[in-house]
Amino acid sequence: GQNIDQPTEMTATEGAIVQINCTYQTSGFNGLFWYQQHAGEAPTFLSYNVLDGLEEKGRFSSFLSRSKGYSYLLLKELQMKDSASYLCAVRDSNYQLIWGAGTKLIIKP
Amino acid sequence: DAMVIQNPRYQVTQFGKPVTLSCSQTLNHNVMYWYQQKSSQAPKLLFHYYDKDFNNEADTPDNFQSRRPNTSFCFLDIRSPGLGDAAMYLCATSSDRSGANVLTFGAGSRLTVL
Repeated sequence: GQNIDQPTEMTATEGAIVQINCTYQTSGFNGLFWYQQHAGEAPTFLSYNVLDGLEEKGRFSSFLSRSKGYSYLLLKELQMKDSASYLCAVRDSNYQLIWGAGTKLIIKP
Repeated sequence: DAMVIQNPRYQVTQFGKPVTLSCSQTLNHNVMYWYQQKSSQAPKLLFHYYDKDFNNEADTPDNFQSRRPNTSFCFLDIRSPGLGDAAMYLCATSSDRSGANVLTFGAGSRLTVL
């Protein structure tokens, strides 16, 4: 079966750095997405990785290792507004998007 | 601004009373998706349209139906809602199904079943 694993919940301090991990087992691979979802709202796109390595976009960076079936989302200089769930999704060989259940990130002052 | 709009944002219905949720888009995207998301769970794909081509997920109950009368609009019909159908229903669009095509989501319709 296809599976995406993420920690259920993480806590971090305002101004700090946090890394949210995602591991996947899917039928093929055609890219990995990270989405941010605030409580009660729709997911919004953060990043896309299809090649190994780090993609940096402002305070957010996303890393991919296809051989290890592993990605992480790195958030720097955390702000209170970063409190949200972070969803990892992989597009498989049939171009289906397989979603993780999300990591709820709690930021404390 | 180009966007995906869902109505209503909140819907309360009684057990067994049909419900229709709507989604419209101004992005002129070919693909429209309906997802069901329950608290702290991954979004679950119910079906999607690639242009007029309807694609039903194998495990989507018959209780859920969809219509796409034109490129801009898509509807989700829940014929006889049960308590287990209480969830957030998310509509999303993308220009295509492959590669880096990003899904753009609407704000969602939260369904409560009494």
